Order: sequence, then C-alpha cells, then structure tokens
Amino acid sequence: AQSVTQLDSHVSVSEGALVLLRCNYSSSVPPYLFWYVQYPNQGLQLLLKYTSAATLVKGINGFEAEFKKSETSFHLTKPSAHMSDAAEYFCAVTRNTGGFKTIFGAGTRLFVKA
Amino acid sequence: EPEVTQTPSHQVTQMGQEVILRCVPISNHLYFYWYRQILGQKVEFLVSFYNNEISEKSEIFDDQFSVERPDGSNFTLKIRSTKLEDSAMYFCATNPARDEDEKLFFGSGTQLSVL
Repeated sequence: AQSVTQLDSHVSVSEGALVLLRCNYSSSVPPYLFWYVQYPNQGLQLLLKYTSAATLVKGINGFEAEFKKSETSFHLTKPSAHMSDAAEYFCAVTRNTGGFKTIFGAGTRLFVKA
Repeated sequence: EPEVTQTPSHQVTQMGQEVILRCVPISNHLYFYWYRQILGQKVEFLVSFYNNEISEKSEIFDDQFSVERPDGSNFTLKIRSTKLEDSAMYFCATNPARDEDEKLFFGSGTQLSVL
C-alpha cells in the first residue's frame, strides 16, 4: 500500500535559514507525490508535485523537492525562510484505486523566528 | 484560479443532531472528495465520489455518513446523528481526475463543533 511518513511534527528555523521538511514514502509502484501547504483557517494548496518527469521539482514560493528513489524520500526545501512561510506542510501520495485517492502525511508545522 | 466553495464556514450542533455540509465543486471537475482534520491531527480521507456514486470510502465513513450531489451542483456530506468525536474541520476537494498526478483543489473548510 502506498503511504507517506513525515519525520518531524514541528520544525523551527530562523528567518533567512534553510528550510528542510522531511517526507519518506512507501510504494510498490512509481508514486505520484505532492507537497501541500495549509495556512491558518484555510484549505490546502498545492506547493509542488512529482510525476517522474524530473527528480528535482520546483514549486511556488521558492520551494523545491527532490525525489530520491534509493532513499524513498521526497524532502521539501527552501534556501531562505520568510516569516510568511510559517504554516503546516503536508506530504501526500495519490494512488489509483478507482478514485485517485490522495493520502496525506501527518503534517509538519513550520515556525519561522525573526 | 477557480475555487471550491464550502458552506457554512462554521457549524455548531448538539450531539445527536443531523448536519449537512455543502460544497460547490469546480464546474468541470469529475471527482469529489471529503476529508476531515481533527484539531492538531492529520488530514484524513473520508470518501471519494464519481459519476454520482461513491468510489471509495474509509473506515471512518460509517453508516452515519452519506454523500450526494442532488442537483448536479452542490456536493453534500450528511452526518445523520453527530457525535462529540465528529468535531473537526471538514474539507471538500475536487479534481478533474484525468490522471493520478492531478492535484486536489480544496475548499477552505467547514469547522464542525459538536456539543
């Protein structure tokens, strides 16, 4: 069965520092992987997605993620954190069970300190 | 960008009462979903809906839950007899579902509080 595991429930960085949010997946077939962001009192928005076209995926707001099959990872990074990046981030995988079901990880809350 | 609209944004109800949560999907989307997020916890899949029937449902989606698209526009989630543990944020999501790499478009959610 396909699933994702987010390794950190909370990450705290200083403004301007590197952001690293970790996600590992388990899948017996090539996965379709996503990162979503949730700002307070809002629904989830897509940051980026991996669909096997390229292992390094660039998303919105300066985020990117690298698909590493050997490590079964899809970690999200951003070189320099902004205060506005403070939010909840969800790694997700979609599998075709007849309904293209998307399964989310437990989420990582990112705190950005001034 | 087109939006998924959910109403109401907040719903307070007494335990045992029925609630209906409403969603207006993006017009050319074919797959509809309900997810829920209990405070501080992960986003959990409830049900997917396609071609006017349930495609898949989770173990959370028991007999107290139902979905329908009565008028071809609104997509509703009904909880027949609410329990305290149903208190959560409920998200509607849609996608064109042409392929597995299609992203989900989420509404901003309905916060359900069961007292």
